[in-house]
Amino acid sequence: KQEVTQIPAALSVPEGENLVLNCSFTDSAIYNLQWFRQDPGKGLTSLLLIQSSQREQTSGRLNASLDKSSGRSTLYIAASQPGDSATYLCAVRSRQAGTALIFGKGTTLSVSS
Amino acid sequence: NAGVTQTPKFRVLKTGQSMTLLCAQDMNHEYMYWYRQDPGMGLRLIHYSVGAGITDQGEVPNGYNVSRSTTEDFPLRLELAAPSQTSVYFCASSGPLSGNTIYFGEGSWLTVV
Repeated sequence: KQEVTQIPAALSVPEGENLVLNCSFTDSAIYNLQWFRQDPGKGLTSLLLIQSSQREQTSGRLNASLDKSSGRSTLYIAASQPGDSATYLCAVRSRQAGTALIFGKGTTLSVSS
Repeated sequence: NAGVTQTPKFRVLKTGQSMTLLCAQDMNHEYMYWYRQDPGMGLRLIHYSVGAGITDQGEVPNGYNVSRSTTEDFPLRLELAAPSQTSVYFCASSGPLSGNTIYFGEGSWLTVV
């Protein structure tokens, strides 16, 4: 059974700091991995999608890496801003459950000015 | 460009009442999913469908029923609502290829009192 774990559960940093969010998964036979952002009381915003054949994806200040063999992904946020404060969710798509995304519990990030 | 549409957005139910959360997608996607999100729990899969007339259980199916009579619609039925079903519900859809992006609706906030 695929399980996704995100560490840390919460993170507080001062503005301008570079930071890394971690995601691990138990079954390396995945199709892809996706990072989402969720603001309080809101829906999901897709940030980056990495296919199983890829090693990383970049969008602006965000860079996500994937090491499928070790079951790990990281989301790197450069020069953090208060507007980056949100919960970040990692999810993997594999053969289980009609190829549904399996989610971690998220990392709640707070960036202070 | 409607994508995945969920209704209602907010609803308050009394214990024992029944209701249906509606989900419709206009992308001709074969795969559709229902998730629930509780504080600190990420998203958990309730039911999913890999095509019209085909449904299956996810991680937390108890207390919920689904049907898929058309490709476009995937309603979620709560027969006897309980306070434990107070949650945020997300519907999602995807094309059949494993590399396809999964698209999410904006969520339905349900409170059972």
